[in-house]
Amino acid sequence: NAGVIQTPRHKVTGKGQEATLWCEPISGHSAVFWYRQTIVQGLEFLTYFRNQAPIDDSGMPKERFSAQMPNQSHSTLKIQSTQPQDSAVYLCASSLEDWGAEQFFGPGTRLTVL
Amino acid sequence: GEKVEQHESTLSVREGDSAVINCTYTDTASSYFPWYKQEAGKSLHFVIDIRSNVDRKQSQRLTVLLDKKAKRFSLHITATQPEDSAIYFCAASRGGSNAKLTFGKGTKLSVKS
Repeated sequence: NAGVIQTPRHKVTGKGQEATLWCEPISGHSAVFWYRQTIVQGLEFLTYFRNQAPIDDSGMPKERFSAQMPNQSHSTLKIQSTQPQDSAVYLCASSLEDWGAEQFFGPGTRLTVL
Repeated sequence: GEKVEQHESTLSVREGDSAVINCTYTDTASSYFPWYKQEAGKSLHFVIDIRSNVDRKQSQRLTVLLDKKAKRFSLHITATQPEDSAIYFCAASRGGSNAKLTFGKGTKLSVKS
């Protein structure tokens, strides 16, 4: 079990460019979550999927952020027209069930927007 | 929406002493409360959790207490060791179709030998 895999581990983009972050959940886990972590805001929920269906995207900045889960083995978080305030560590987590189950976190993708 | 407040931003104890980290939450519908540990430069690692149908849960040196009336929960670590040094995050979740975690700001625990 390799755990949750996130790629790339580090990404640097220029202001206005697009960034796509990838997550491979643990095999057999039905729920996939995206969070981001910054020093100022702490850990913030973005969105989550259950059995590939979007369940809650209440934390997503609506205009530039989108997430998909085209199959059970990967999810993507896309940020269009990146801004310096998007700089953060983006964390993906998966769990066997969505509620009341341990969420296993990946190593994160550190996004730096210059 | 739910807000989780973690009262101690830093906590320093001597090796072998106990450490207590306290959190409060605002949403009375929250029913699942996990704790995570983050070591320097690493991601979050699950530590222990508690569900609202119990008020205490113990796992080795860790105990979680839940007071639903006060909307407060706490992590107790006994016989602390230097390897317990890390940032600890408490979190809350409503449950049902709403499994997202709302996190506290974290407590940096330093265990000095």
